[in-house]
Amino acid sequence: SQTIHQWPATLVQPVGSPLSLECTVEGTSNPNLYWYRQAAGRGLQLLFYSVGIGQISSEVPQNLSASRPQDRQFILSSKKLLLSDSGFYLCAWNRGDRGETQYFGPGTRLLVL
Amino acid sequence: AQSVTQPDIHITVSEGASLELRCNYSYGATPYLFWYVQSPGQGLQLLLKYFSGDTLVQGIKGFEAEFKRSQSSFNLRKPSVHWSDAAEYFCAVGPATGGGNKLTFGTGTQLKVEL
Repeated sequence: SQTIHQWPATLVQPVGSPLSLECTVEGTSNPNLYWYRQAAGRGLQLLFYSVGIGQISSEVPQNLSASRPQDRQFILSSKKLLLSDSGFYLCAWNRGDRGETQYFGPGTRLLVL
Repeated sequence: AQSVTQPDIHITVSEGASLELRCNYSYGATPYLFWYVQSPGQGLQLLLKYFSGDTLVQGIKGFEAEFKRSQSSFNLRKPSVHWSDAAEYFCAVGPATGGGNKLTFGTGTQLKVEL
């Protein structure tokens, strides 16, 4: 069966510091991968998605970037965090077929102070 | 462009009462529709999905949803709510345009269950 991991679970960082959040998927190959942000009291905002190694699509202009160095690894990064980067970050995956279900990781809670 | 509307931000029901959460979508073709549930501080869990066929879909935890094309709706129902159902519920439609098999999510409905 497939599992999705996110690390770390919680992170408190000062403004201006760098960021690296990791997402890994097990039990499948060539998944589509997604990064979402969920701000307090709001819905899910798709930040990036990837259909293959090195292929990253950005959905919204922002302070963050994403990379996919391996087939089942998706990294969310920032060089300098802003207060507005605080939120709950969710990684998800699905197969490439049309309409396939997205499966979510447990999330990373980021607080920028 | 596709969109999803969940008109109820918060809903409170008594334990044992029936539940209906509303979801309306806008989509240019036959949609794929999903309901997810999120407990506090956790990821999203799939409750059920509709791709085609029978318009009444059964899911986990006793939930069901009915696809009504004429009303562009996909409402979630449960005949008797349990206290453990308190969570946030998201409706989603896909795939979104632009490739990547993306989903478009509603803003969610927060369910509170009174004992």
